[in-house]
Amino acid sequence: DADVTQTPRNRITKTGKRIMLECSQTKGHDRMYWYRQDPGLGLRLIYYSFDVKDINKGEISDGYSVSRQAQAKFSLSLESAIPNQTALYFCATSDLLGGETQYFGPGTRLLVL
Amino acid sequence: GENVEQHPSTLSVQEGDSAVIKCTYSDSASNYFPWYKQELGKGPQLIIDIRSNVGEKKDQRIAVTLNKTAKHFSLHITETQPEDSAVYFCAASIAAAGNKLTFGGGTRVLVKP
Repeated sequence: DADVTQTPRNRITKTGKRIMLECSQTKGHDRMYWYRQDPGLGLRLIYYSFDVKDINKGEISDGYSVSRQAQAKFSLSLESAIPNQTALYFCATSDLLGGETQYFGPGTRLLVL
Repeated sequence: GENVEQHPSTLSVQEGDSAVIKCTYSDSASNYFPWYKQELGKGPQLIIDIRSNVGEKKDQRIAVTLNKTAKHFSLHITETQPEDSAVYFCAASIAAAGNKLTFGGGTRVLVKP
């Protein structure tokens, strides 16, 4: 079973719609991250959370919000989707005690029409 | 903030040859440099990392070198095999600052049989 899961894996939505991407992990890690991947730009950090009560903006947080519902769950919301939010979105986890390695989920491919 | 540049963006090599990917970073405070491999349809996975107190690290066919003075680091893959075909990302972070990774733009490696 996958340690980091993301749902949905693919999503098509229309401009102006609110959508939520979900991430769950069974690794018991305290830290969780959301990235977006665009061709040629690598992965860019959207938000990160070091524990349930700690939420921090990353490099490109505008237009996004997050919720850390539990240690194992971290959701990313697009309040009003726009076409330039079309991208591949990844959730990742890491463990304060386990070093700096981040473990990535399989990704959600989002298309905003 | 940190800026990481990665070259080349694409690399085609013959099976058995070596592949080299280079990255430069801007923040002299960065002290942790991981490399991730992303196979088609999957999330990135850590393959090797290096810290600023080490100049070189090897793991079987892969090695990473770090030049702190010049602020660049490189990934070397020897005796390439078809399964090495993937997208590779370098990243940099300040480990004490919560492991917020800044990624390079990625290199698509194709190993031709």
